[in-house]
Amino acid sequence: DIVMTQSPDSLAVSLGERATINCKSSQSVLSSSNNKNSLAWYQQKPGQSPKLLIYWASTRESGVPERFSGSGSGTDFTLTISSLQAEDVAVYYCQQYYSTPLTFGGGTKVEI
Amino acid sequence: EVQLVESGGGLVKPGGSLRLSCAVSGFTFSTYSLNWVRQAPGKGLEWVSSISGGPTYIYYAASVVGRFTISRDNAKDSLYLQMDSLRAEDTAVYFCARGNSSSPLKGAFDLWGQGTVVTVSS
Repeated sequence: DIVMTQSPDSLAVSLGERATINCKSSQSVLSSSNNKNSLAWYQQKPGQSPKLLIYWASTRESGVPERFSGSGSGTDFTLTISSLQAEDVAVYYCQQYYSTPLTFGGGTKVEI
Repeated sequence: EVQLVESGGGLVKPGGSLRLSCAVSGFTFSTYSLNWVRQAPGKGLEWVSSISGGPTYIYYAASVVGRFTISRDNAKDSLYLQMDSLRAEDTAVYFCARGNSSSPLKGAFDLWGQGTVVTVSS
């Protein structure tokens, strides 16, 4: 199984400041068939279902604000919120869809 | 409107069964993979099962294999999860989620339902 490890577990960021969340996979999720990393990022606000932010490690989902960006390759990935807004308070999860069992990271709680 | 709507959750005794349903609307059902993901109270997300658009390919988490069965009816635009031999540790909110590909291993989950609550307790 591919284990996804997120860090930190939580972080507090001032409004307008940058937030950086890390995700490390126990093995590479780079697909040889398309040379893309099978890594996604989700946002879950309290009482809501998760929302896809980023897929293929760096492709922003339609409608997601540009302040959200994803980077990394192989086993190390980062989600960056360039200028934190009040509505970004949530738990963020990374997920690999390279192989089954599909696995999620433990989540990172972002607070103001 | 594009949406997924789960139903069928409830309170069940250990060893009992439930069948969850996920009604889909607003997109061509058969061209997407579909998934079940659960979230225990206060915990993170756990993948449960996936089914391809075909539905040729089916996958399960080790924790549910042999107890849960995923299926889909492309004529009714519906996804199902038959859950048997339920345990206390199956207590969670169960979400259905669309994969943005016909294959579960080629797409992230781009559309989620609101979830249905399953509680396993005596």
